[in-house]
Amino acid sequence: SQQGEEDPQALSIQEGENATMNCSYKTSINNLQWYRQNSGRGLVHLILIRSNEREKHSGRLRVTLDTSKKSSSLLITASRAADTASYFCATDQGGAQKLVFGQGTRLTINP
Amino acid sequence: GAVVSQHPSWVICKSGTSVKIECRSLDFQATTMFWYRQFPKQSLMLMATSNEGSKATYEQGVEKDKFLINHASLTLSTLTVTSAHPEDSSFYICSASKRASQYNSPLHFGNGTRLTVT
Repeated sequence: SQQGEEDPQALSIQEGENATMNCSYKTSINNLQWYRQNSGRGLVHLILIRSNEREKHSGRLRVTLDTSKKSSSLLITASRAADTASYFCATDQGGAQKLVFGQGTRLTINP
Repeated sequence: GAVVSQHPSWVICKSGTSVKIECRSLDFQATTMFWYRQFPKQSLMLMATSNEGSKATYEQGVEKDKFLINHASLTLSTLTVTSAHPEDSSFYICSASKRASQYNSPLHFGNGTRLTVT
């Protein structure tokens, strides 16, 4: 079952602006991961945040995790046209190695 | 890096035939691989977990006799769609976990296979 809910489902912004995507989940987790998918391709791992972490950075990416609210956010700063893709959060459902993916956010960066 | 190769990238087959999709970990050993299915503009639905040397674990609602999974080595898992029908048309994606990884590790994905059944 898909336990992650992401919002917005679609986001369109101008190049250079920041993009924020949110993810909510239902069960306890050990970690939450964000992936990116270009159209018709596989997924690329972006960042993993553990349940005992609150914030993590990687380049222009910033991820936050609030386990009390069972939610996470992905911020992409200074967006570029090449950031256009779908972004998915995924959770491990409390230790199982398999991941359950959210519905995804389709991000479009307009040049 | 950790590279997962999936083949073919696309395939068109006639209804009633079987199609085999391969998933290979190129530079690491993967005791566990996962097969997902994705419909247009939707999320990934886990179909099954492929375990090297043992039977695959299928998710609820996935027909194991229709979607045959074989994980004969630490670098190769195959998904065979048997007696394919148009409703099996979809995007199939595999992913692999490194052998020594615990659950706090990312998955490495293949580029997917677009299956069209006519």
